[in-house]
Amino acid sequence: SQELEQSPQSLIVQEGKNLTINCTSSKTLYGLYWYKQKYGEGLIFLMMLQKGGEEKSHEKITAKLDEKKQQSSLHITASQPSHAGIYLCGADASGTYKYIFGTGTRLKVLA
Amino acid sequence: EAGVAQSPRYKIIEKRQSVAFWCNPISGHATLYWYQQILGQGPKLLIQFQNNGVVDDSQLPKDRFSAERLKGVDSTLKIQPAKLEDSAVYLCASSSLPQDRGNEQFFGPGTRLTVL
Repeated sequence: SQELEQSPQSLIVQEGKNLTINCTSSKTLYGLYWYKQKYGEGLIFLMMLQKGGEEKSHEKITAKLDEKKQQSSLHITASQPSHAGIYLCGADASGTYKYIFGTGTRLKVLA
Repeated sequence: EAGVAQSPRYKIIEKRQSVAFWCNPISGHATLYWYQQILGQGPKLLIQFQNNGVVDDSQLPKDRFSAERLKGVDSTLKIQPAKLEDSAVYLCASSSLPQDRGNEQFFGPGTRLTVL
């Protein structure tokens, strides 16, 4: 079965610093989604990537899908305390219509 | 546009008791999902409905969990009897496209269940 591995598991950065979160799949990704979750709340959709080499940005967050479509990165520029939360990658599992999630990266931004 | 609604937001029960969660998806969304998210883990799909039919329930512990989506709109998820390991956040999500790839899901706020 396909699995999504995220790294790092947790991250603490000083406000204003840049950071990158990675999501690696054991199989080809047909649709890769990034979500943000605040503790105890539901998931908020950030971005969706489908094509190899695709890159999307929203405010200070940029997500990329590599050419081989097995890894995605989420980059935050000039982090702010509002960026704190859990970042989850999700994907359409290869060969099925099942939706799977990574284990999440917990981000803390120190003011 | 109203989002996905879930209730209750929090529930504390003792093991062997029963509990039910309710979800109202975004109007017009044909696909509805229930996920279980254990602390420190990503969400795990329990069941997926397409209108009022079950598309995937391969990870639903059917000896104790049940779900229905009558009339293809609201859905309820029931646990009977609950075990300690059922303590988790139960998330409901909906999407407009039926089983297609490239399908953004909209999530509700979740129900946090604590089993004592």
